[in-house]
Amino acid sequence: QTVVTQEPSFSVSPGGTVTLTCGLTSGSVSTGHFTSWYQLTPGQAPRPLIYTTNTRSSGVPDRFSGSIVGNKAALTITGAQADDESDYYCVMYLGGGIPVFGGGTKLTVL
Amino acid sequence: QVLLQDSGPTLVKSSETLSLTCTVSGYSISSGYYWDWIRQPPGKGLQWIASIYGRSGGTSYIPSLRSRIAISMDSPRDQFSLRLGSVTAADTATYYCARRTRAWSFDSWGQGTLVAVSS
Repeated sequence: QTVVTQEPSFSVSPGGTVTLTCGLTSGSVSTGHFTSWYQLTPGQAPRPLIYTTNTRSSGVPDRFSGSIVGNKAALTITGAQADDESDYYCVMYLGGGIPVFGGGTKLTVL
Repeated sequence: QVLLQDSGPTLVKSSETLSLTCTVSGYSISSGYYWDWIRQPPGKGLQWIASIYGRSGGTSYIPSLRSRIAISMDSPRDQFSLRLGSVTAADTATYYCARRTRAWSFDSWGQGTLVAVSS
């Protein structure tokens, strides 16, 4: 069974750039996996960031971008801000009518 | 702007049935989209568990829960609901309702309800 993988944690300095990745235990990520990204902050509804690999959701600033880097999907945050400190989840479609989430990345801004 | 509000008991006894409802405003659920439930156990990641298609009522479930889960919809009230039977401590989680597009993205989410299963 293919698992969606994410870095458990990452840190970035304020104003810096960070790239979080979303991979597969078997095979390479492609646009056909329809990767999307979400920001989870305690006490708030999850916030959609990116869909279909690289399209920003409504209201998301352009310092958030999605892409495929190598064999993984990637979420890049440029000019990191303190309120970007959150958990980030990717989700992909792997077939069978079931979307599969990655384990999430806890991003620290310090 | 579509808004989702999930509601239901926050404490359920072990072996009983967990029931949650999601009320949608700003969109008629029978017009389209998929209406899903996603959960997050404490300290763990997100897990998609169920979906219902607004136009047809067709459903899909995560295989590991298929024997005890059901999703339904009440179109006139723009509500969809989750029932999870024979719950155990492993079902303790924050349950989110969400709207899903054909492109497999979740474009609107409820705030989430933390449901604890007690023994």
